[in-house]
Amino acid sequence: NAGVTQTPKFQVLKTGQSMTLQCAQDMNHNSMYWYRQDPGMGLRLIYYSASEGTTDKGEVPNGYNVSRLNKREFSLRLESAAPSQTSVYFCASSEQLTGSYGYTFGSGTRLTVV
Amino acid sequence: AQSVTQLGSHVSVSEGALVLLRCNYSSSVPPYLFWYVQYPNQGLQLLLKYTSAATLVKGINGFEAEFKKSETSFHLTKPSAHMSDAAEYFCAVSERGFQKLVFGTGTRLLVSP
Repeated sequence: NAGVTQTPKFQVLKTGQSMTLQCAQDMNHNSMYWYRQDPGMGLRLIYYSASEGTTDKGEVPNGYNVSRLNKREFSLRLESAAPSQTSVYFCASSEQLTGSYGYTFGSGTRLTVV
Repeated sequence: AQSVTQLGSHVSVSEGALVLLRCNYSSSVPPYLFWYVQYPNQGLQLLLKYTSAATLVKGINGFEAEFKKSETSFHLTKPSAHMSDAAEYFCAVSERGFQKLVFGTGTRLLVSP
């Protein structure tokens, strides 16, 4: 089982460039999430999708957009990258939005903006 | 609003010693509680979860956690640390209903020989 697959694993961008982080899950989960992880700050939710066709803002959505392409795929786009967006990005999925299910995480994308 | 506090950003133990990682939560209703582990350059992996069955929850790799409502705590323990336990550990809470997980800031466990 692949679980949650994220691409790319590493990326270096120049300030102002754009890019899309890809995420796909093969567990037939309904809900998907994008987090960023920064030292000393834990995981902060950027956007989430409770089910196919819906997306909502999380704690830190500014500078990002998302697309729930289908039930399997949930992409995160940076339209104009800034150094403050240097971080490790994690995609996660769960059976439902209800918290009891817990999340399955991808292995992350390490993004550096110079 | 739900929140979780992990006391100590770093915890150091010797191999074979007791591991105790602290987590306190704030929630207006009985919550769901989780511990995740993150090994270097990897994603987060579920260790264990509490969803209102037994208050003592056993997880993978010999870890366990006890839900104590009176103390609003869900501390993670392991009787004997192994070198392979060195990682970062995250506590997370979710209120019942359609609520997302909220993560603590993490505790890095260092294990020395």
